Amino acid sequence: SAVISQKPSRDICQRGTSLTIQCQVDSQVTMMFWYRQQPGQSLTLIATANQGSEATYESGFVIDKFPISRPNLTFSTLTVSNMSPEDSSIYLCSVDISGSGNTIYFGEGSWLTVV
Amino acid sequence: SQKIEQNSEALNIQEGKTATLTCNYTNYSPAYLQWYRQDPGRGPVFLLLIRENEKEKRKERLKVTFDTTLKQSLFHITASQPADSATYLCALGGSSGNTPLVFGKGTRLSVIA
Repeated sequence: SAVISQKPSRDICQRGTSLTIQCQVDSQVTMMFWYRQQPGQSLTLIATANQGSEATYESGFVIDKFPISRPNLTFSTLTVSNMSPEDSSIYLCSVDISGSGNTIYFGEGSWLTVV
Repeated sequence: SQKIEQNSEALNIQEGKTATLTCNYTNYSPAYLQWYRQDPGRGPVFLLLIRENEKEKRKERLKVTFDTTLKQSLFHITASQPADSATYLCALGGSSGNTPLVFGKGTRLSVIA
């Protein structure tokens, strides 16, 4: 199993500011995934973060808005830049320990409200 | 584009009955399908994975079926309990474990005592 810690768990942010979310895993993993879950919606993948290379972004998400760091095999950050109320969402990091799809774990999420 | 539909936003059932949740998909050929449970204010928790060559998978009171011809998965909770009340998400995965999952919107299950 894996334990994933996300910080902050909740925050209220001012429009136009940026916030960095941290994701710490208690074991080394190759890939980490960042998702967004808007109110009443399902999870949408933002990007896949590999250690030692640039993150791969999904359609509709760009690096300038959601820069990601992956400095080592247990840690990643996602920054939500120049926030607007539309960015109010839950942001979740996820890992697949074995790469087989059977060992996927999510963090508890970071709940951001932009005012 | 890929589309995943879960049968209803909300489902209410009586305690002790079997809850059946449906996940249908189009424009996708997943290598596997997963079911997750999500409680309010919490991240999703992985429940079961079923691969494209498997028809059925069981885990305790949970049973999942996968029909790649119908492009449908059924998720059953037998002898349901109020503690089973949560949102259940289905997700489709590609041929590699590193392929990102595509999630449905979820079905909110309420088990009434």
